[in-house]
Amino acid sequence: ILNVEQSPQSLHVQEGDSTNFTCSFPSSNFYALHWYRWETAKSPEALFVMTLNGDEKKKGRISATLNTKEGYSYLYIKGSQPEDSATYLCAPNTNAGKSTFGDGTTLTVKP
Amino acid sequence: DAGVTQSPTHLIKTRGQHVTLRCSPISGHKSVSWYQQVLGQGPQFIFQYYEKEERGRGNFPDRFSARQFPNYSSELNVNALLLGDSALYLCASSYLYGGRRDGYTFGSGTRLTVV
Repeated sequence: ILNVEQSPQSLHVQEGDSTNFTCSFPSSNFYALHWYRWETAKSPEALFVMTLNGDEKKKGRISATLNTKEGYSYLYIKGSQPEDSATYLCAPNTNAGKSTFGDGTTLTVKP
Repeated sequence: DAGVTQSPTHLIKTRGQHVTLRCSPISGHKSVSWYQQVLGQGPQFIFQYYEKEERGRGNFPDRFSARQFPNYSSELNVNALLLGDSALYLCASSYLYGGRRDGYTFGSGTRLTVV
């Protein structure tokens, strides 16, 4: 079982603030890392799949970076909006093939 | 296209009873994984099936079992329910096992309450 840590556990920001969170995972047997966004009363939705050390992915105001050698990924949100309020989950996937989820970072963006 | 469908959406059971949860993956997806999510925690891995074979099992007791059918739909069974089994059960569909290429597509979940 992988030890996946996400920090902070929760975050409250004002609309327009930029923010970032961290996902830490064991770097051995790494295959891929997934980020998901989970809005209240909805299903988790895949944001990014990252595989290579140094990968950087971007979708609108949200971007993510990956460091497989040291075992971490950052998720950045630029100019947060109330609709960004959600729990952001990371899930590294190992060579064994299953994804292990962190406990998530819950973001609340106040208008 | 239909997404991942799970049934039922909500369920209330009594301790000691048995429950069956069902999941239909996205058409073309051959892998189904089951996760249990309790409030404040991330989804915990229960089972993974790919091409009708079990490909992984999480740290859950033998009261939990699952199977995948020829049409790739899946059932999760839980026997002798305990209060601690109350949770949201998520089904995750993927083309490759473990969601390795494109990640998972999740269903809306089944909210199980054990009283």
